[in-house]
Amino acid sequence: SQQGEEDPQALSIQEGENATMNCSYKTSINNLQWYRQNSGRGLVHLILIRSNEREKHSGRLRVTLDTSKKSSSLLITASRAADTASYFCATVSNDYKLSFGAGTTVTVRA
Amino acid sequence: DAMVIQNPRYQVTQFGKPVTLSCSQTLNHNVMYWYQQKSSQAPKLLFHYYDKDFNNEADTPDNFQSRRPNTSFCFLDIRSPGLGDAAMYLCATSRLMTDYEQYFGPGTRLTVT
Repeated sequence: SQQGEEDPQALSIQEGENATMNCSYKTSINNLQWYRQNSGRGLVHLILIRSNEREKHSGRLRVTLDTSKKSSSLLITASRAADTASYFCATVSNDYKLSFGAGTTVTVRA
Repeated sequence: DAMVIQNPRYQVTQFGKPVTLSCSQTLNHNVMYWYQQKSSQAPKLLFHYYDKDFNNEADTPDNFQSRRPNTSFCFLDIRSPGLGDAAMYLCATSRLMTDYEQYFGPGTRLTVT
């Protein structure tokens, strides 16, 4: 069943701006992952943050995790047209399976 | 490059006509997953194999079956596709189930006419 919920559902920004999206979940987790999906393609893993971590960086990506609020955020800095995609958070609980949210669709305008 | 390959990328089948989707991996990963993703929705796990052990999700319809003849290959069989089975089917792999990212193939888009 779906565990995460992303907010907003859709986001449109100008190239060079930052994009922030949020994910909330319901039950305790082992880790939380973010994936990107270009239109009509498979998912690409972006970053994994463990339940005992609060912040993680990877290139232009910054992920935070607040387990007390059961929420995570993904920040993409200095966005590019190639960042146009859907972004999904996925939680991993004790059953070790990924449970995806419905995603945030990001459009970066040139 | 090590990767997850899905064939075909697009599949059209008739209502009720059995169809098989194929996934192969060169990553030598222990776990292979099949997800169903309908338009603008989250991917939904159908089942997974840990080595030869098959694990079906409780809400996966009986119409969906899977085979994993060896480490590299995994198949999704839909015995009698209905219009509601039209979706993108994603195959993924991971080295283990604990604390590891999953590697996804490009997906097979299934159309049922």
